Amino acid sequence: QKEVEQNSGPLSVPEGAIASLNCTYSDRGSQSFFWYRQYSGKSPELIMFIYSNGDKEDGRFTAQLNKASQYVSLLIRDSQPSDSATYLCAVPPQSGNNRLAFGKGNQVVVIP
Amino acid sequence: NAGVTQTPKFQVLKTGQSMTLQCAQDMNHNSMYWYRQDPGMGLRLIYYSASEGTTDKGEVPNGYNVSRLNKREFSLRLESAAPSQTSVYFCASSKNRDTIGPGELFFGEGSRLTVL
Repeated sequence: QKEVEQNSGPLSVPEGAIASLNCTYSDRGSQSFFWYRQYSGKSPELIMFIYSNGDKEDGRFTAQLNKASQYVSLLIRDSQPSDSATYLCAVPPQSGNNRLAFGKGNQVVVIP
Repeated sequence: NAGVTQTPKFQVLKTGQSMTLQCAQDMNHNSMYWYRQDPGMGLRLIYYSASEGTTDKGEVPNGYNVSRLNKREFSLRLESAAPSQTSVYFCASSKNRDTIGPGELFFGEGSRLTVL
């Protein structure tokens, strides 16, 4: 099992709708979870991080963490064309606390 | 404040040639990383340096060497380039190691390498 998995294909959502992305991780001891956004041809940038079970909201973004089920989600409310990007889930494995393992990413396309 | 600077941004090599990718950060970060990104593969860690004077292998270290020259600089060397090393390479840095992980990674703009 890969350390971080994002299995969904490209996600197309109409402008104003909610985009929902999921990520599962293998190391039950992981304690922090990150979502990065990467525009085409650019470098990744951090948009959300979450440490505790439950929800964390930042503007139109909500991260949801369920440690018992080992998944973390990202919701984008009121999706805008500027949200069209690839979203990368990242988790530091407990055994290698000083590095991040990334999922393959989910491409989101917001249709005006 | 430049953040993380990588050079070169583009490079074309022939099989068997060598080259070094340079990376420097001006944020006084302890940890630095080299990732490669290929279509459909996400970001894969090549090597990382938790602090000045230390380096560790990541997920895909074969064919690469690294040097943590000082706190600011972390270079990646391809001794004998192969077509399989055609990729986009990202350098990143993060603040002090804490108890729950490396914290936020700051990325350079990337270096696009093609090996013919």
